[in-house]
Amino acid sequence: AQSVTQLGSHVSVSEGALVLLRCNYSSSVPPYLFWYVQYPNQGLQLLLKYTSAATLVKGINGFEAEFKKSETSFHLTKPSAHMSDAAEYFCAVTGMDSSYKLIFGSGTRLLVRP
Amino acid sequence: DVKVTQSSRYLVKRTGEKVFLECVQDMDHENMFWYRQDPGLGLRLIYFSYDVKMKEKGDIPEGYSVSREKKERFSLILESASTNQTSMYLCASGGIVQLETQYFGPGTRLLVL
Repeated sequence: AQSVTQLGSHVSVSEGALVLLRCNYSSSVPPYLFWYVQYPNQGLQLLLKYTSAATLVKGINGFEAEFKKSETSFHLTKPSAHMSDAAEYFCAVTGMDSSYKLIFGSGTRLLVRP
Repeated sequence: DVKVTQSSRYLVKRTGEKVFLECVQDMDHENMFWYRQDPGLGLRLIYFSYDVKMKEKGDIPEGYSVSREKKERFSLILESASTNQTSMYLCASGGIVQLETQYFGPGTRLLVL
């Protein structure tokens, strides 16, 4: 079965520092991969998605992610953290049965220190 | 603008009560989903529907049922609420193409006493 692992339930960075949130997936077929963000008391919002068109994917709010097949990774980065980036981030992969179901990681809460 | 709305933001129910959570989308999407979100577990799929009156079990369907009588509306039903169903419930909708984004509602935080 497909699965997603997010390393680190909490990540803390200083404002202006690099943000790196890790995501590794397991899949025997080419996956579609997603990053969603959840701000406090809100639903999830799509940040970006990998659809096999390009390995480096740019999303909203200055985030990007790189698909590395050899490492089965899809890490999320942002060069300079902003206070408004404080949120919970979820990596997700589509199901193996080519359905529309998303399999989510356990989430990483990003804390941004002033 | 895309909109998925959920009937309540917060609910408090007693053990054994029947609970209805309703979700409405205005994007004419075929697919609708109910997830449960718990700390450290991410989101887990309870049920999804790919058409009116059509449904499929997700990963944790036990204790839940769903209803989709109209395309825009998808209801989650807890037949007899239990304390272990205290959680955040998120509804989402999406189109038929696998790559399409799922759009989420704001969530309902349910407390079962």
